[in-house]
Amino acid sequence: SQQGEEDPQALSIQEGENATMNCSYKTSINNLQWYRQNSGRGLVHLILIRSNEREKHSGRLRVTLDTSKKSSSLLITASRAADTASYFCAIKRNRDDKIIFGKGTRLHILP
Amino acid sequence: GAGVSQSPSNKVTEKGKDVELRCDPISGHTALYWYRQSLGQGLEFLIYFQGNSAPDKSGLPSDRFSAERTGGSVSTLTIQRTQQEDSAVYLCASSPTGLGSGYTFGSGTRLTVV
Repeated sequence: SQQGEEDPQALSIQEGENATMNCSYKTSINNLQWYRQNSGRGLVHLILIRSNEREKHSGRLRVTLDTSKKSSSLLITASRAADTASYFCAIKRNRDDKIIFGKGTRLHILP
Repeated sequence: GAGVSQSPSNKVTEKGKDVELRCDPISGHTALYWYRQSLGQGLEFLIYFQGNSAPDKSGLPSDRFSAERTGGSVSTLTIQRTQQEDSAVYLCASSPTGLGSGYTFGSGTRLTVV
């Protein structure tokens, strides 16, 4: 598919553990972005990684991008209850300006 | 404004009626997207505006859907003769440019067609 596809679809971990979510895609991209969504409403932009970058950090977030494998991962370290949300990857394709979203990973942090 | 504003936040309409959803992007943002999200699903691309260029309408699901953006700012998404399958959250996002920028989303309009 042209969109990003997240894996796993759902993830439950204990508070304090690290959470890793993966995203795979099939087209040439300009950049890849990760978003968080709480309660099924507006999305919050977390981090953007460009196609010529391999890794980026922002606070407890670490994103990697492997363009040869067409995959990205989002790592949340030392998870907190407030991290419970759905996480989406979105790809910005090279051939047009669309940003296409995957179906998301539902992350649940257990107390 | 400080963020992307969408109105109404909730809309219940009868099947067959027309609805208008409004998006007020961040001032100065040239790129504006509309997405649709059904319950528990990902975001479905609908339409994209970039500056004065012709919009990319390739995601609109049928000719009952249309959108315009007046003066490069406010956008209105219109759904004519609404159907029950149109029920979803409609999300608007804007960005300073279409290139290499994260998007700021509004809180969405939850449309319910009864």
